[in-house]
Amino acid sequence: QVTLKESGPGMLQPSKTLSLTCSFSGFSLSTSGMVVSWIRQPSGKSLEWLAAIDWDGDKYYNPSLKSRLTVSKDTSNTQVFLKITSVDIADTATYYCARGPRYFDYWGQGVMVTVSS
Amino acid sequence: DIQMTQSPASLSASLGETVTIECRASEDIYNGLAWYQQKPGKSPQLLIYNANSLHTGVPSRFSGSGSGTQYSLKINSLQSEDVASYFCQQYYDYPWTFGGGTKLELK
Repeated sequence: QVTLKESGPGMLQPSKTLSLTCSFSGFSLSTSGMVVSWIRQPSGKSLEWLAAIDWDGDKYYNPSLKSRLTVSKDTSNTQVFLKITSVDIADTATYYCARGPRYFDYWGQGVMVTVSS
Repeated sequence: DIQMTQSPASLSASLGETVTIECRASEDIYNGLAWYQQKPGKSPQLLIYNANSLHTGVPSRFSGSGSGTQYSLKINSLQSEDVASYFCQQYYDYPWTFGGGTKLELK
């Protein structure tokens, strides 16, 4: 069955770089048409799509954050990574990875990230 | 970016009632719309895609409709397990964007 799971630092200080990992199983990112996205949700608020990477290694970013985001995948096509540079308090949120080229049929459980000094 | 405006922001309804949630896009999204349900402390779950296609395993009391810039999610015969927040998402154009959400509670 398809599963995704996010992992990250939990808490980090402003101006640092946030590194997140999405580990998944039940599908391969090498399959044509497959895409994994990162989406975040501040507590009590709506969802914001951040970035995606597809089976061919093409990357897509939300223009509002593009200068700070880097999405990548491992060579075994079972993990996707997201780096966010220069974090501040506004980056405090639950971060999800999800499968899907357009809409998202499988989501991870999310990892909560708090930016605090 | 395409802006997605959802209404109402919150909704209180009785068991067995029919509930409708609206989502308006800032431009035509040509049925590139999905609906998600999110229960407290859980990740969102896909309900509807392509505006009116029911995702596998989703109860048939959920339905989606609409076209152009106006879309809606209808829940027939509300059940207690439907208490959740609901979000629409457009995928007609990057960046994918979500509505502000509707919190559904029992009256």
